[in-house]
Amino acid sequence: DSGVTQTPKHLITATGQRVTLRCSPRSGDLSVYWYQQSLDQGLQFLIQYYNGEERAKGNILERFSAQQFPDLHSELNLSSLELGDSALYFCASSPRDRGGTGELFFGEGSRLTVL
Amino acid sequence: GNSVTQMEGPVTLSEEAFLTINCTYTATGYPSLFWYVQYPGEGLQLLLKATKADDKGSNKGFEATYRKETTSFHLEKGSVQVSDSAVYFCALLDSNYQLIWGAGTKLIIKP
Repeated sequence: DSGVTQTPKHLITATGQRVTLRCSPRSGDLSVYWYQQSLDQGLQFLIQYYNGEERAKGNILERFSAQQFPDLHSELNLSSLELGDSALYFCASSPRDRGGTGELFFGEGSRLTVL
Repeated sequence: GNSVTQMEGPVTLSEEAFLTINCTYTATGYPSLFWYVQYPGEGLQLLLKATKADDKGSNKGFEATYRKETTSFHLEKGSVQVSDSAVYFCALLDSNYQLIWGAGTKLIIKP
């Protein structure tokens, strides 16, 4: 158990809809990362937050947005969903921002299926 | 730019076989290098790391040596078990302290 909690574990929805994925980092961790893992594309970094502020952006679509709240949990919002958005979405946390050691603690992921 | 290249999978081996999963990288300077493992139905977890040239990371019988001459960080294990079946990701930490990931290599161990 990494200590990172993601909900929901599974989500099935239709094209055009909007969903919110939630992540609670490990106790004491200030950084939260979001990743997308598709069947054939490996891990794609989406976005990182540190203590409520956006710190780095990867290949995140404009239809996607995220935020980190004062209690440090984070939400990833996916809107106008397309079939290609079906994937496993991982949240990871780490205690530090810049100067991090590269050790991330991953949740078990939220599997999104868009029909 | 920085990049990580891993051998394509799946890699299929019999139990007790020797394992090598190749990983090479392109980067400026000498970044820290990592192997993460993703067991079926789980998130990724750090397997081992090396922070400077010639360092050897090891954990759970797995080893990898940071070779700056060949810009490689190959993962090895002397005798694999069925429980080692997983996807293995090689990664480097870039100068912005972001992880750059390889594509992952699926390992299948048959009893």
